[in-house]
Amino acid sequence: AQTVTQSQPEMSVQEAETVTLSCTYDTSESDYYLFWYKQPPSRQMILVIRQEAYKQQNATENRFSVNFQKAAKSFSLKISDSQLGDAAMYFCLGNKLVFGAGTILRVKS
Amino acid sequence: GAVVSQHPSRVICKSGTSVKIECRSLDFQATTMFWYRQFPKQSLMLMATSNEGSKATYEQGVEKDKFLINHASLTLSTLTVTSAHPEDSSFYICSAITSGREGEQFFGPGTRLTVL
Repeated sequence: AQTVTQSQPEMSVQEAETVTLSCTYDTSESDYYLFWYKQPPSRQMILVIRQEAYKQQNATENRFSVNFQKAAKSFSLKISDSQLGDAAMYFCLGNKLVFGAGTILRVKS
Repeated sequence: GAVVSQHPSRVICKSGTSVKIECRSLDFQATTMFWYRQFPKQSLMLMATSNEGSKATYEQGVEKDKFLINHASLTLSTLTVTSAHPEDSSFYICSAITSGREGEQFFGPGTRLTVL
């Protein structure tokens, strides 16, 4: 069974600074997808970024980027120029519908 | 595009009654829908996978006779919590996937169920 591990229950970042959320996973498949979702206080799940395992290039979406290390099975999310609206719970998700435990991100003004 | 709605957004019911939650894909046809349960400050736990016209596949430990899932069309799946008890109180979230957006799930806004 696939496992997804987020080892940071909570993280804090100063507004305009950069923060990295970590995620490691375990899978026996060679081709798969990985996702980061955010869940703000409204509890609506929102896709932040996706990465296809066969692509060596790290995915980027504006201020959000990933550091995908396939051999190490690591998939960290970097948020640059953090904004107050980034405050949320962030979940790492593998393509076997297994979520990580989540990381609460607090943004300080 | 790719909007998923859930109804109701919150429901309070008495112990022993049944509650139905609807999940609709508003602007696309969902090949598969999923039902999750989430406790406060915890992650989402997959309950079942639902495909149109076939029986749902339940995750280990999820009682299929308690959590009835019906997927009547490519845009609608329902979750019925039968004979609800206080321990069934939780936040239930559905999601849907469609062809062309491999692996990406589109989530509904969730339903908060409180059983008294």
